[in-house]
Amino acid sequence: GAVVSQHPSRVICKSGTSVKIECRSLDFQATTMFWYRQFPKQSLMLMATSNEGSKATYEQGVEKDKFLINHASLTLSTLTVTSAHPEDSSFYICSATGTLNTEAFFGQGTRLTVV
Amino acid sequence: QKEVEQNSGPLSVPEGAIASLNCTYSDRGSQSFFWYRQYSGKSPELIMSIYSNGDKEDGRFTAQLNKASQYVSLLIRDSQPSDSATYLCAVNQGNSGYSTLTFGKGTMLLVSP
Repeated sequence: GAVVSQHPSRVICKSGTSVKIECRSLDFQATTMFWYRQFPKQSLMLMATSNEGSKATYEQGVEKDKFLINHASLTLSTLTVTSAHPEDSSFYICSATGTLNTEAFFGQGTRLTVV
Repeated sequence: QKEVEQNSGPLSVPEGAIASLNCTYSDRGSQSFFWYRQYSGKSPELIMSIYSNGDKEDGRFTAQLNKASQYVSLLIRDSQPSDSATYLCAVNQGNSGYSTLTFGKGTMLLVSP
């Protein structure tokens, strides 16, 4: 299957700082990228959907000014957690799809700990 | 609003048994259907995709799709303890020009030795 690379895999940051997470599709053009957050023992929660060439669409309750998403190219999307707080500590996962009706391929995930 | 429903479980089966996981979806325009497996602390990995009515087999896994009834299921034969994970059903409508992939909340499967 296609490869989606997500970095970093783990990050620890101080409260109030910003953290950028990168998601790259290595061998296909990702027309749509998804960002999820997952708390321990809970299900995936979709944060936002980003289509190439347009702004990200955020799910209800997700602050777009706090979670900045940039779908810079067909192979790269970034999620920046601004002014991070301990409650933002979570497992963040990106996924990407290519053309219509294809499966989504997931990055390895980023475990964010805000101290 | 598009919805994908799964029983959260846990579904407990003994080793060697058949595990049956079910998923229903609300959007009749859905075009493609996927099953992902997620181990604790890891990101989901694709295990099956199905696009047309009927059964699709891949090793110990069989996906079943019934568009008229709007359900998709996953059967795991000869279940192994290593199959213990959360299984996510995903449905892609894709008629807006872009992928619109919706995930269910997942069913936890526990296979006991």
